[in-house]
Amino acid sequence: GENVEQHPSTLSVQEGDSAVIKCTYSDSASNYFPWYKQELGKRPQLIIDIRSNVGEKKDQRIAVTLNKTAKHFSLHITETQPEDSAVYFCAASDGSARQLTFGSGTQLTVLP
Amino acid sequence: SAVISQKPSRDICQRGTSLTIQCQVDSQVTMMFWYRQQPGQSLTLIATANQGSEATYESGFVIDKFPISRPNLTFSTLTVSNMSPEDSSIYLCSVERASYNEQFFGPGTRLTVL
Repeated sequence: GENVEQHPSTLSVQEGDSAVIKCTYSDSASNYFPWYKQELGKRPQLIIDIRSNVGEKKDQRIAVTLNKTAKHFSLHITETQPEDSAVYFCAASDGSARQLTFGSGTQLTVLP
Repeated sequence: SAVISQKPSRDICQRGTSLTIQCQVDSQVTMMFWYRQQPGQSLTLIATANQGSEATYESGFVIDKFPISRPNLTFSTLTVSNMSPEDSSIYLCSVERASYNEQFFGPGTRLTVL
């Protein structure tokens, strides 16, 4: 089955700096890659996703890149703000089963 | 995104008992999923619940321990049976809405087993 590795496990940045979180996946059949943000005590929230027919997708301060050949994808957050502090999870799906396999999560702390 | 509710939001149970968690969605969905999130950990898929068919369980999860019902397109239940302290966790349902594959999560049920 699919295996998703995520790093770093913790990341601290100064407010206004950029943050990058990276994930690798094992199943070449995976074609959908969402990112979730989970604040303490809250449910995971879908913040951005990318499909395998696209190399990059951007939504305001958030962007995701995908390298299918290398089987890795990354989340980029620019101009970070304290409210970006949360745990971020990447995930991968092979499409047909429509199941998500999650990475281990990254605790992002934005220091004011 | 869908409006998803779960009941109960939290519970404290004695070992050996069972708890049924409900997941309600505001509109019809084909795919519903149940996840477990242990404290400080990632999300692990327990099973996929489609209306009109048996739930499909992931490796390490069995129907006797986690029976699931999916009586219609807006509702599902997960039962945690014969509980032990190791079952203490957050249980989340999710639904696939809008675009293919996009999943949205319910608020979760925080279960503590004493």
